[in-house]
Amino acid sequence: EAGVAQSPRYKIIEKRQSVAFWCNPISGHATLYWYQQILGQGPKLLIQFQNNGVVDDSQLPKDRFSAERLKGVDSTLKIQPAKLEDSAVYLCASSLELLSGLPYEQYFGPGTRLTVT
Amino acid sequence: RKEVEQDPGPFNVPEGATVAFNCTYSNSASQSFFWYRQDCRKEPKLLMSVYSSGNEDGRFTAQLNRASQYISLLIRDSKLSDSATYLCVVETGSARQLTFGSGTQLTVLP
Repeated sequence: EAGVAQSPRYKIIEKRQSVAFWCNPISGHATLYWYQQILGQGPKLLIQFQNNGVVDDSQLPKDRFSAERLKGVDSTLKIQPAKLEDSAVYLCASSLELLSGLPYEQYFGPGTRLTVT
Repeated sequence: RKEVEQDPGPFNVPEGATVAFNCTYSNSASQSFFWYRQDCRKEPKLLMSVYSSGNEDGRFTAQLNRASQYISLLIRDSKLSDSATYLCVVETGSARQLTFGSGTQLTVLP
């Protein structure tokens, strides 16, 4: 079974530039997540989609970050303009539709390592 | 106070040793609990879910104490391949969001 795909794997940009990341979840997974992982920290949830609707974006810095999930499948995360503190690994994850009361597993992609100079 | 707190380590142990990691969480309404493993420069992967009754998977044992809001992971007979960062993860919220700890780094030495 194919895993979560992300591109690009690495990106170096200057501050104030724009950047976009792409994610293709595992086929059939209804829920898609974007995380930011700063070096030495655990992943931090930025946004969570259920099909093509947003269920949580409370930690997304909306003045510069945006995300969309077209047709409930692929997703893009954009940063515009980038700041130095945005340097991190951006992880996409997906999971099957969440059933009440049952633990579930999130499957992560390899991530995009962003360096802002 | 952080939502999920872990001792960052590093823990350096010899092969064959037993090592335990602890984690505390702040939200008493948290619903599910997990340990994820993250190898260096790789993505996190689910190691095991944690149940109130405690659960075991081979050399790995996880325990949950809801009253103390405390989760543990015990690794017996450590292998070199166990070297990784272990992330304590707590599920909360109506959307069942996962909150990750900062991770505990383990190095198993030959």
